[in-house]
Amino acid sequence: EPEVTQTPSHQVTQMGQEVILRCVPISNHLYFYWYRQILGQKVEFLVSFYNNEISEKSEIFDDQFSVERPDGSNFTLKIRSTKLEDSAMYFCASSPDSGKNYNEQFFGPGTRLTVL
Amino acid sequence: AQSVTQPDIHITVSEGASLELRCNYSYGATPYLFWYVQSPGQGLQLLLKYFSGDTLVQGIKGFEAEFKRSQSSFNLRKPSVHWSDAAEYFCAVGASAGNMLTFGGGTRLMVKP
Repeated sequence: EPEVTQTPSHQVTQMGQEVILRCVPISNHLYFYWYRQILGQKVEFLVSFYNNEISEKSEIFDDQFSVERPDGSNFTLKIRSTKLEDSAMYFCASSPDSGKNYNEQFFGPGTRLTVL
Repeated sequence: AQSVTQPDIHITVSEGASLELRCNYSYGATPYLFWYVQSPGQGLQLLLKYFSGDTLVQGIKGFEAEFKRSQSSFNLRKPSVHWSDAAEYFCAVGASAGNMLTFGGGTRLMVKP
């Protein structure tokens, strides 16, 4: 069964450094998302992406964040200058725009980002 | 703005006992409702979803949920819990395809032998 994959599984970085989190969505999906979960807290929406542009973003997704679909398979989240409070599990998700799984978001296993 | 409340942070049940996890949502129109399960260190797995139609929906692993519009609830149930069901459960609400999901705070389920 196709699944969303994310790399790396764990990223440790120094405060102020740039990080890029990578995701490979399910191949025929057209909507892509990033969420984050700070340890012990709820899962929070960051951004959604469709047709090569951001379709929705939360107030968390400020100028330090950006997303890109650099090729036909990858979807990336870049944090330009990491802060301690960016430490969290980051989940990528994708969903189709039609068919029986319409509206269902499939989540990857997550990347745990630790900012020191 | 949409919101989800899961009133129970922790629940402990005995193996073989029945389970009900509560979820209340706030949303202006007909919501799309989901239950996800997260095992330690793992991602989010969809248990079931409600979009329209029959208000009692069946999911994987023997779970079901009932949508009650009058109570703005979407409670998750299982008639007989297994030790492997110990995990964190998240209720979520969404608007439509491509829209964000809003998650509740989660309920951590522990299963006693």
